[in-house]
Amino acid sequence: QKEVEQDPGPLSVPEGAIVSLNCTYSNSAFQYFMWYRQYSRKGPELLMYTYSSGNKEDGRFTAQVDKSSKYISLFIRDSQPSDSATYLCAMGIQGAQKLVFGQGTRLTINP
Amino acid sequence: NAGVTQTPKFRILKIGQSMTLQCTQDMNHNYMYWYRQDPGMGLKLIYYSVGAGITDKGEVPNGYNVSRSTTEDFPLRLELAAPSQTSVYFCASSYARVASNTGELFFGEGSRLTVL
Repeated sequence: QKEVEQDPGPLSVPEGAIVSLNCTYSNSAFQYFMWYRQYSRKGPELLMYTYSSGNKEDGRFTAQVDKSSKYISLFIRDSQPSDSATYLCAMGIQGAQKLVFGQGTRLTINP
Repeated sequence: NAGVTQTPKFRILKIGQSMTLQCTQDMNHNYMYWYRQDPGMGLKLIYYSVGAGITDKGEVPNGYNVSRSTTEDFPLRLELAAPSQTSVYFCASSYARVASNTGELFFGEGSRLTVL
């Protein structure tokens, strides 16, 4: 079993739709949870991070962590073509030097 | 503000050749990393460094070597290239440990390597 599982997609939705991206994990020691966005032929960039459980909102993006289910989600509201990218979840133990990344989900928003 | 700069962007190697991927950052970050990204496989950590003169292995270090003589530079050396090393390589740096409030990873644009 992989430590972090992420559906690679691809996922294609119409502009304006609500998008839900998800990762499951097996290591209950993970406390930091991140979402990185990667545009084609570019390096990943941090989109959001959360510590422990709960929700965090930033504009059209909401990150959600459910530690009891070992499940994290990223919601994108009013999706735009500019949101088309690969989204990578990542997680780590507090103070650790290493993150474990999911496989990445390739998302396309169609105008 | 350049951030993390990687060279070369593209390279084709023959089996058995060696090369060095260069990485430099201008953010004065102590922490630097090399990842490889294969299709559908996410990012795998090759090596990392917590400061000049200190390096450590990640998940997939075999076939690679690193050095860190300065804060700015973290080159990755491929010895005796093999087809399994065909991948996109990303260098990254962070201000603090990655699993922390200030541990954001800043990535370069990647180096695409093909071994034939």
